Amino acid sequence: AQKITQTQPGMFVQEKEAVTLDCTYDTSDPSYGLFWYKQPSSGEMIFLIYQGSYDQQNATEGRYSLNFQKARKSANLVISASQLGDSAMYFCAMREVYGGATNKLIFGTGTLLAVQP
Amino acid sequence: EADIYQTPRYLVIGTGKKITLECSQTMGHDKMYWYQQDPGMELHLIHYSYGVNSTEKGDLSSESTVSRIRTEHFPLTLESARPSHTSQYLCASSAILLAGEGGELFFGEGSRLTVL
Repeated sequence: AQKITQTQPGMFVQEKEAVTLDCTYDTSDPSYGLFWYKQPSSGEMIFLIYQGSYDQQNATEGRYSLNFQKARKSANLVISASQLGDSAMYFCAMREVYGGATNKLIFGTGTLLAVQP
Repeated sequence: EADIYQTPRYLVIGTGKKITLECSQTMGHDKMYWYQQDPGMELHLIHYSYGVNSTEKGDLSSESTVSRIRTEHFPLTLESARPSHTSQYLCASSAILLAGEGGELFFGEGSRLTVL
């Protein structure tokens, strides 16, 4: 069965510093997609970044980058130059592609990031 | 910016009442989803739909029901609310997955339900 593991319940980072949020996954599918979402205290889920299992390069979106290590089954999110507005819950998620006509995502338990001034 | 809307944002209701959480999207997406999330916890899929007249149960068992009569509308109903139904309910939609695309889910702002 597919599973997403986020082992950091909470993280602190100083403003303007970089932070890495860990995510490991388990799947037997050869093709899959990995996502990171941000959930502020207001509750909405904001899509940040996507990595396909066959993508050769690590995904980047502005200050967000995904450190994808396929052999280790890890997909860590790196936020550079942290801002106070980055304080939120961060979820790693996975979607299977084979038989995945539904685009269903399974989510990890999340990491609560607090950016300190 | 995603065009998916949920109402109500907040609902406090007594035990035994029937409630419907509304979800509408204007993106023409075929696929829609309902996730349930307890405070500080992960999201669990409770219902999804491939398209009109298609609904399926998700990975987490739920006493709620859904319908998909129109592409843009995917309401969730609880016939008799109980305190155990207290949670946040997030609606999402996605486009058909094409090669090379992520197929990310676009979420509404959520409906926070409290059953007394």
